[in-house]
Amino acid sequence: SAVISQKPSRDICQRGTSLTIQCQVDSQVTMMFWYRQQPGQSLTLIATANQGSEATYESGFVIDKFPISRPNLTFSTLTVSNMSPEDSSIYLCSVGLAGGYGELFFGEGSRLTVL
Amino acid sequence: DQQVKQNSPSLSVQEGRISILNCDYTNSMFDYFLWYKKYPAEGPTFLISISSIKDKNEDGRFTVFLNKSAKHLSLHIVPSQPGDSAVYFCAASSFYQKLVFGQGTRLTINP
Repeated sequence: SAVISQKPSRDICQRGTSLTIQCQVDSQVTMMFWYRQQPGQSLTLIATANQGSEATYESGFVIDKFPISRPNLTFSTLTVSNMSPEDSSIYLCSVGLAGGYGELFFGEGSRLTVL
Repeated sequence: DQQVKQNSPSLSVQEGRISILNCDYTNSMFDYFLWYKKYPAEGPTFLISISSIKDKNEDGRFTVFLNKSAKHLSLHIVPSQPGDSAVYFCAASSFYQKLVFGQGTRLTINP
C-alpha cells in the first residue's frame, strides 16, 4: 500500500485567487493522478502527473487552469488558478503501485470552497 | 456522457442482511472493474476488483459479480455490519490505472 499526505486538507478561497495543493507519497511511484469530486458528483480525473515530463490532461481540463508539477517520484502539486465558485470541490491525489492494475490509493483530499 | 452509472444514490439495509449495490457501464472497452469505499473526510479506499475474464470474485464478506453481456456489475456484502455504512463507488478501467468512477451510492446499515 501507499500512504499519501495532502495539504491543505481544506481552505476557503476568494474568487480570482489561486491555490496550490501538495501531495506527498511515502514511496516512489511512477504515475500520480489528480481527481476532482464536485458536490454530489463522482470522481473525475483531471490529469496524470508523470515525473520528468508534462502532465497529461483529460478532456475538459487545461494546463493554464490546473498547472501540475512533478519534481520527483514522491511529490506533486496541483494549482487551481483564477478560482471561481464552480471550482469548489474536493481535490484528490492518488497513486498506483507497480504491478497493480487499477487499485489506486488516495489521499484524504483537499476540500476547497471558493467564495 | 456518464460511462459508469450507479442509479441508486442511497440504500438502507438492516444489520446482518445482504447489501447489494449495482453499477452499469456503457464502454465495452472497459476490462477491469473496482469498488471503492469512502468515509466522510477521507479518501476512497480500495475494496475489491474483478477482471473482465471473470464473472465473480470474493473477498471475505464482499463479492463482486460481473455480467459483461448486460454491462452490469454488483457488489454483495454479507452479512452487513454498521461499519459498512459509507459511500461506495464503482469504477472501471480500459487503460492501466486510469479509472472512470460512478456517482456513488450511500449505504446505511441500520442496527
